[in-house]
Amino acid sequence: GDSVTQMEGPVTLSEEAFLTINCTYTATGYPSLFWYVQYPGEGLQLLLKATKADDKGSNKGFEATYRKETTSFHLEKGSVQVSDSAVYFCALNRDDKIIFGKGTRLHILP
Amino acid sequence: EPEVTQTPSHQVTQMGQEVILRCVPISNHLYFYWYRQILGQKVEFLVSFYNNEISEKSEIFDDQFSVERPDGSNFTLKIRSTKLEDSAMYFCASRVSGTGGNQPQHFGDGTRLSIL
Repeated sequence: GDSVTQMEGPVTLSEEAFLTINCTYTATGYPSLFWYVQYPGEGLQLLLKATKADDKGSNKGFEATYRKETTSFHLEKGSVQVSDSAVYFCALNRDDKIIFGKGTRLHILP
Repeated sequence: EPEVTQTPSHQVTQMGQEVILRCVPISNHLYFYWYRQILGQKVEFLVSFYNNEISEKSEIFDDQFSVERPDGSNFTLKIRSTKLEDSAMYFCASRVSGTGGNQPQHFGDGTRLSIL
């Protein structure tokens, strides 16, 4: 069945560092892809999405490009802030069900 | 910005007892979902609901589980006789109409269910 694999955490970076969180997927066809973020004590918030190959989703300085050749949807940000500390989930939509990766915890040090 | 609201935030229940988790989806949304996350594991789909009936359910969603939309605003998940392995964070989600594959689902903050 469909699945999402993302890099193990935690990831610890200094403020203003460049961020990459790797995500690959296994799926038939071209499902929509998402990144969700969970800040401490809060629920899952949609961060960005891409619905077809080569689409780039972006929000709050974060970007991810839907790469069908490598079945990847890596999350990037050029300069992270302490407020970006959270758990990030890569996900795909298969038949109106969201399939999540395990999540990557990100710590940003001031 | 409108949001999905879940209550309570934390529920502690004795094994074998019934529990009802409550959700108020975003008001113009028509599709509703429950997911759960056992500690340290992935968020898993449980059930989807549209037009007052279940659209799809996973193998986790056995006869002990049920969902209901008792009025125009609430969406509930009931576990009839809780087991220790039901301990998890339960997330409610909703979305607008349209193609299910493209429309994002909006999630609540979750209810942490602890079975003793």
